[in-house]
Amino acid sequence: QSVLTQPPSASGTPGQRVTISCSGSSSNIGDNYVYWYQHLPGRAPKLLIYRNNQRPSGVPDRFSGSKSGTSASLAISGLRSEDEADYYCAAWDDSLSGVVFGGGTKLTVL
Amino acid sequence: EVQLLESGGGLIQPGGSLRLSCAASGFTFSSYAMSWVRQAPGKGLEWVSVISGSGGSTYYADSVKGRFTISRDNSKNTLYLQMNSLRAEDTAVYYCAKLSSSAPSPSFDYWGQGTLVSVSS
Repeated sequence: QSVLTQPPSASGTPGQRVTISCSGSSSNIGDNYVYWYQHLPGRAPKLLIYRNNQRPSGVPDRFSGSKSGTSASLAISGLRSEDEADYYCAAWDDSLSGVVFGGGTKLTVL
Repeated sequence: EVQLLESGGGLIQPGGSLRLSCAASGFTFSSYAMSWVRQAPGKGLEWVSVISGSGGSTYYADSVKGRFTISRDNSKNTLYLQMNSLRAEDTAVYYCAKLSSSAPSPSFDYWGQGTLVSVSS
């Protein structure tokens, strides 16, 4: 059972917009920044979004992040086949004094 | 170019010990916190431990606290994870990750390719 809650799966067709949610509590998302990672099988995870809504250089603007209260979301617009991957949210948890990840969402591009 | 190269994984019996290493290059190692993150077969990412740039601050997941020790040698640009009293549930690919600052946070901007640790009799 992960501290941050994500839907196990999401799907969309090419060109669509999909959203992945991440729910936490006041000790993590409520009081700290949210980060999002993309993980393709056999590859190293990749930082997609940092500090709730900032994109590292090289990450397409099709990816966007938002946060409200104790929840956060990752939106992917103009869905492409290469977006098919596992997506994880993460935050610092003040009560645990450590990093917590969501359980991951497997995105399928139909 | 930032490079992180993990080593030290392998097959180990329950109760045994193993030390993972992560050789870093392409950045000023001592200026950044470093972390270990693992992924068990068929499971999601799980944070294991983080160490500040100076090595003065360390944090651990409850699942490994008291059994694992993170350390770094800034003169050798190398991160370590000493794993003792290993259990079957520690079986995972272990990733070394660089943070984007010297302080602990979930901001892992570079990752290694991972090293597999299998705990089995």
